Amino acid sequence: DAKTTQPPSMDCAEGRAANLPCNHSTISGNEYVYWYRQIHSQGPQYIIHGLKNNETNEMASLIITEDRKSSTLILPHATLRDTAVYYCIVRLYSSASKIIFGSGTRLSIRP
Amino acid sequence: DTAVSQTPKYLVTQMGNDKSIKCEQNLGHDTMYWYKQDSKKFLKIMFSYNNKELIINETVPNRFSPKSPDKAHLNLHINSLELGDSAVYFCASSQDGEGSPLHFGNGTRLTVT
Repeated sequence: DAKTTQPPSMDCAEGRAANLPCNHSTISGNEYVYWYRQIHSQGPQYIIHGLKNNETNEMASLIITEDRKSSTLILPHATLRDTAVYYCIVRLYSSASKIIFGSGTRLSIRP
Repeated sequence: DTAVSQTPKYLVTQMGNDKSIKCEQNLGHDTMYWYKQDSKKFLKIMFSYNNKELIINETVPNRFSPKSPDKAHLNLHINSLELGDSAVYFCASSQDGEGSPLHFGNGTRLTVT
């Protein structure tokens, strides 16, 4: 079973920041938080990952709470092309461990 | 320059047939995976291969067999296809040991009639 909980759906206005929450209350100290998204029928696409510090790349920002029990993915200026299912995953960093996808959040961007 | 490529993109076949899906990655990754996404859109891991060794088998039926001729390829063979095998199958790869993310192919939509 997935170790994360996400809302099934969210929507956001185009041009606004989209904030996608994820709960991972049973995360262990050596597990990282990864985010992927799946646009329509394409293969899942990696977005960002982090351990405990906030991370930012060209696609998004990842905010992890101090107790690491939850995190938020932020798409700073959502566009219609960001409409997708977003998956939050916890996994060990250094092993070929099982990477289990939950049901994700279906994000809809409205014009 | 596709990093992870799968063929075919679509596969329609009848029950009882045997079919294969091919996957190739040009990223130099050590580990390759097969995932199944059913009609409810849940992504479930089926196999992973690391340096030609099967290291995860998620209790899929033994009609499914991954075959890796070399580090860059992980093909999926399916014998005696059943209606319930209809799904989208995704291949992925990663460079484990460095925490690298999974890189997915664009999937093979298998329809069993």
